[in-house]
Amino acid sequence: DAGVIQSPRHEVTEMGQEVTLRCKPISGHDYLFWYRQTMMRGLELLIYFNNNVPIDDSGMPEDRFSAKMPNASFSTLKIQPSEPRDSAVYFCASSLEGTNQPQHFGDGTRLSIL
Amino acid sequence: LAKTTQPISMDSYEGQEVNITCSHNNIATNDYITWYQQFPSQGPRFIIQGYKTKVTNEVASLFIPADRKSSTLSLPRVSLSDTAVYYCLVGDRIGTASKLTFGTGTRLQVTL
Repeated sequence: DAGVIQSPRHEVTEMGQEVTLRCKPISGHDYLFWYRQTMMRGLELLIYFNNNVPIDDSGMPEDRFSAKMPNASFSTLKIQPSEPRDSAVYFCASSLEGTNQPQHFGDGTRLSIL
Repeated sequence: LAKTTQPISMDSYEGQEVNITCSHNNIATNDYITWYQQFPSQGPRFIIQGYKTKVTNEVASLFIPADRKSSTLSLPRVSLSDTAVYYCLVGDRIGTASKLTFGTGTRLQVTL
């Protein structure tokens, strides 16, 4: 039984470049969440989807960040242009039926912007 | 946005019971309280969830007082492998809506 799969596991890129993070949720899960983890701010919810529709994107830092879910088995988080302060670990999680259900997390993408 | 706070760190000896408290005095009415465990280089892993009073599963208990403004995760007889960071997750009330908010995290160190 595959869990949430994120790619890449690590990404190092230069400031100004576009970065795309990918997530495959657990099959059958209706909710998908994107989080960011930093030492300073801890774990923060960026956006979540229900049945591929964005429900709450109030945590997205600014217009440089965008997230899509073109189908039930795939989501992307894009940063364009990237900045050094975007360096963090980005987690994707999915849950079966709602925000009050246990979430299953991927192992994250460690992003470093030089 | 009210902060969901936890003690920064705790130390315990193997075999002891550990209680970790989370303060969430702005919790949304309909939202549950969920606790996660995180090891280095891994995503958080679900431990236990509850709405009120007490919940117990095979690994932990969760105590929630009537006002739901705090919760306590109880780990019975911890072992070295329980060394990790523990987070609570709640819905923080914003007007009539809520926003999922992680606590600040508690680093538990278990030693022999």
